[in-house]
Amino acid sequence: GQQVMQIPQYQHVQEGEDFTTYCNSSTTLSNIQWYKQRPGGHPVFLIQLVKSGEVKKQKRLTFQFGEAKKNSSLHITATQTTDVGTYFCAYNFNKFYFGSGTKLNVKP
Amino acid sequence: DSGVTQTPKHLITATGQRVTLRCSPRSGDLSVYWYQQSLDQGLQFLIQYYNGEERAKGNILERFSAQQFPDLHSELNLSSLELGDSALYFCASSVAQGALNEQFFGPGTRLTVL
Repeated sequence: GQQVMQIPQYQHVQEGEDFTTYCNSSTTLSNIQWYKQRPGGHPVFLIQLVKSGEVKKQKRLTFQFGEAKKNSSLHITATQTTDVGTYFCAYNFNKFYFGSGTKLNVKP
Repeated sequence: DSGVTQTPKHLITATGQRVTLRCSPRSGDLSVYWYQQSLDQGLQFLIQYYNGEERAKGNILERFSAQQFPDLHSELNLSSLELGDSALYFCASSVAQGALNEQFFGPGTRLTVL
């Protein structure tokens, strides 16, 4: 059945280092969304990717959708303490699924 | 502030009891989604309503039910509560029902079952 794996589960970085989280699907996705959840907060929409090979940037965040639309990544350049939180990918396959999330901790 | 409101913020109850969680979507949003998030876990999709009708069903237990009212607010009813039902319950809303819609999440209701 439909399965999307998100890795890594946790990432601890020093402030200023880069961070990447990946979502990999066993089947082709029609689209993928990314959300961020701050500690104690609720998920907040970051971006949506629809096209094969799509790359979108938001300041220090770069989002990619693979050519085969089976994987996606979120890359943060030069992390800051404000980047702390859990990053989820999300997709729709008849119903809605969120990836297991990557918890990012940034040490100042 | 996402514009989605959820009440109550916290709920403490005992096993075997029944509770109702309430959600008001953003103004203009017709779709409402319910999610369960257990401690340090991901988000489990429970159910989606669009303009009063059920649109998609996820891993929702038979002890749980939901509905969306004509004014578009939604309620999630949890009955015969078990310890394992303790979790954060989020409601989200979007303009339409399809896959290409950004979901706006409410602040959540934290349910503790003792």
